[in-house]
Amino acid sequence: QKEVEQDPGPLSVPEGAIVSLNCTYSNSAFQYFMWYRQYSRKGPELLMYTYSSGNKEDGRFTAQVDKSSKYISLFIRDSQPSDSATYLCAFHTGGFKTIFGAGTRLFVKA
Amino acid sequence: ETGVTQSPTHLIKTRGQQVTLRCSSQSGHNTVSWYQQALGQGPQFIFQYYREEENGRGNFPPRFSGLQFPNYSSELNVNALELDDSALYLCASLDSSDTGELFFGEGSRLTVL
Repeated sequence: QKEVEQDPGPLSVPEGAIVSLNCTYSNSAFQYFMWYRQYSRKGPELLMYTYSSGNKEDGRFTAQVDKSSKYISLFIRDSQPSDSATYLCAFHTGGFKTIFGAGTRLFVKA
Repeated sequence: ETGVTQSPTHLIKTRGQQVTLRCSSQSGHNTVSWYQQALGQGPQFIFQYYREEENGRGNFPPRFSGLQFPNYSSELNVNALELDDSALYLCASLDSSDTGELFFGEGSRLTVL
C-alpha cells in the first residue's frame, strides 16, 4: 500500500464550478496536512495547511481533514481559469521530510 | 525578501556523467531540502541540510550528495548519471515554524541521454 494515494486526473471543469480534490494516506504519524499548488514550469507553493481534523477555510479554498478515515480534501469554490494547475497533497510528521502525493492536474475552462 | 533561486534552469547530460545543481536559500532560512520530481509525479525527498550538516536523507543512493555553505546556499551533486535521473530537481528552504512549510525554487530540469 502506498503511503499517499492521489488521483492524477486530469480534472477538467467549467469556470465557476466547485472543485473537490482528495488524498488518502496510511501513516498515522502524519501531523500536518498541506496542499501545494504547482503551476506549469514552476516550483510548488503552499496553499493551505492544517494540523487537526475538521475544516479550514481561506477565501475560495477549504481544506478538510478526517484523521479517522485518513482522508483529506481541498475544495475550490467559484473556480477560475487561473486555478488551472497541479494540486499536490502533502504530509509532514514534524521530522525532516514532507511526503507528497502524485498531484492532480486541474483545468478550469473559461 | 529574496526567494529561492536555482541554477541552471535546464541542462542535458549523457549517461555516466556528473552534474552539480545550485541553490540560494530564501533570506533568513538556514535549512534547505532537495527534492526530485519525475514527470507526472510528486516531489520525492532526497536530503536536507541544516547549518552545513546533512540531517535527513530519503531513499536515494550515495551517488546523490550535497553541500551547504556558510551563507546557507547549497549544491546537489549526482555522479554516474542514469537515464532515470531525468527529472525536475527542486530546492526548498524552510522557515523555523513547526509546520515545515517549504519555499521552493523553480527547479532545475535535468535530461539524461
